[in-house]
Amino acid sequence: DTGVSQDPRHKITKRGQNVTFRCDPISEHNRLYWYRQTLGQGPEFLTYFQNEAQLEKSRLLSDRFSAERPKGSFSTLEIQRTEQGDSAMYLCASSTAGQVNTEAFFGQGTRLTVV
Amino acid sequence: AQKVTQAQTEISVVEKEDVTLDCVYETRDTTYYLFWYKQPPSGELVFLIRRNSFDEQNEISGRYSWNFQKSTSSFNFTITASQVVDSAVYFCALSEGDSNYQLIWGAGTKLIIKP
Repeated sequence: DTGVSQDPRHKITKRGQNVTFRCDPISEHNRLYWYRQTLGQGPEFLTYFQNEAQLEKSRLLSDRFSAERPKGSFSTLEIQRTEQGDSAMYLCASSTAGQVNTEAFFGQGTRLTVV
Repeated sequence: AQKVTQAQTEISVVEKEDVTLDCVYETRDTTYYLFWYKQPPSGELVFLIRRNSFDEQNEISGRYSWNFQKSTSSFNFTITASQVVDSAVYFCALSEGDSNYQLIWGAGTKLIIKP
């Protein structure tokens, strides 16, 4: 499978717990994005990597959120001390660099439910 | 400020009917890119099309066609002879020339095709 893969697909956690999600982008893509989507809404940008460098973070990304892409390949998104408002679908996408605004390819997302 | 409006929250048609999904955008940039994505019940966002602001030619791909009109800041999407498999949520998105890492999304239009 050469698409973007995300793990896990679903996560239920108790409020206050930490969670970590993983994203494996398409192998030749050096740009990686994290978005969050709540029911009935379009995705909201969270953060963006070019290779291993995190180039932009949204103001939506509070201090409880951290993302890494240590070797410029897979990425992890960690949420510490989860709150019920963190319940959402977390989407990862990847794209190539070199062409401006190339289309991003999305994974199937990780659905987080905080109870 | 940049914004994407999809005024139609939900559309329901009978199979084989034609249907148009509206998208209106706001941007101050002269260079920008417009996208349509499909999100079926499985959750994965599927790229459909990307247009840049300098190319106003309409595009047709099979049963899909897109009408880009800068004069009205619209980028509408038409499905001809709709099929049940077209049922999904469709998102219009915008990225501006100086922030090519970030897509601004509409709220989506849920399309229901009845057999």
